[in-house]
Amino acid sequence: KQEVTQIPAALSVPEGENLVLNCSFTDSAIYNLQWFRQDPGKGLTSLLLIQSSQREQTSGRLNASLDKSSGRSTLYIAASQPGDSATYLCAVIWSGGSNYKLTFGKGTLLTVNP
Amino acid sequence: GAVVSQHPSRVICKSGTSVKIECRSLDFQATTMFWYRQFPKQSLMLMATSNEGSKATYEQGVEKDKFLINHASLTLSTLTVTSAHPEDSSFYICSARVAPPNEQFFGPGTRLTVL
Repeated sequence: KQEVTQIPAALSVPEGENLVLNCSFTDSAIYNLQWFRQDPGKGLTSLLLIQSSQREQTSGRLNASLDKSSGRSTLYIAASQPGDSATYLCAVIWSGGSNYKLTFGKGTLLTVNP
Repeated sequence: GAVVSQHPSRVICKSGTSVKIECRSLDFQATTMFWYRQFPKQSLMLMATSNEGSKATYEQGVEKDKFLINHASLTLSTLTVTSAHPEDSSFYICSARVAPPNEQFFGPGTRLTVL
């Protein structure tokens, strides 16, 4: 079964700390992988998209890496701020599927304490 | 990034009524949109895939007669919850696919409460 797992489920860090969120997937035949953030009661904001042929993407303080052979992706957040507090979701589109459906992990709830 | 809107953002209705939720891609055309529901403290559950000009594809366990999906144009998909009951109360979120690279952009969600 194709599944996406995120560990830890929750993470609390002091402001200014660098941190890494982890995502693993069971099938290495992915089309692409997206990282999202979700604030309470809100929709999802796309953070980074990594295509199958890429190994990493960067946007500001965020860096996402992809290692298909080990079935892992990481989201690195530098110099964390209280405004980064949110749930971070990892989602995969598997190759060979129809309609390019996303399979989500359950998310990591990040709290950055001032 | 691309912008997706949803309307309404919040709706409260009586049991037995039907509720329509609109999902629009504001600055791009989307041949494919997706509808999800999310329960408190849980991840998103895909309900159906909506393709412009054709019938929606529903995920296993989702009642197509209860959750009617219409995708009549490249910028609008609608989800109608028919004869809503309290167990249909949830957060409904749509997304639109930009191809290539098949990145999905999400709407802000609609909170449905059925009394």
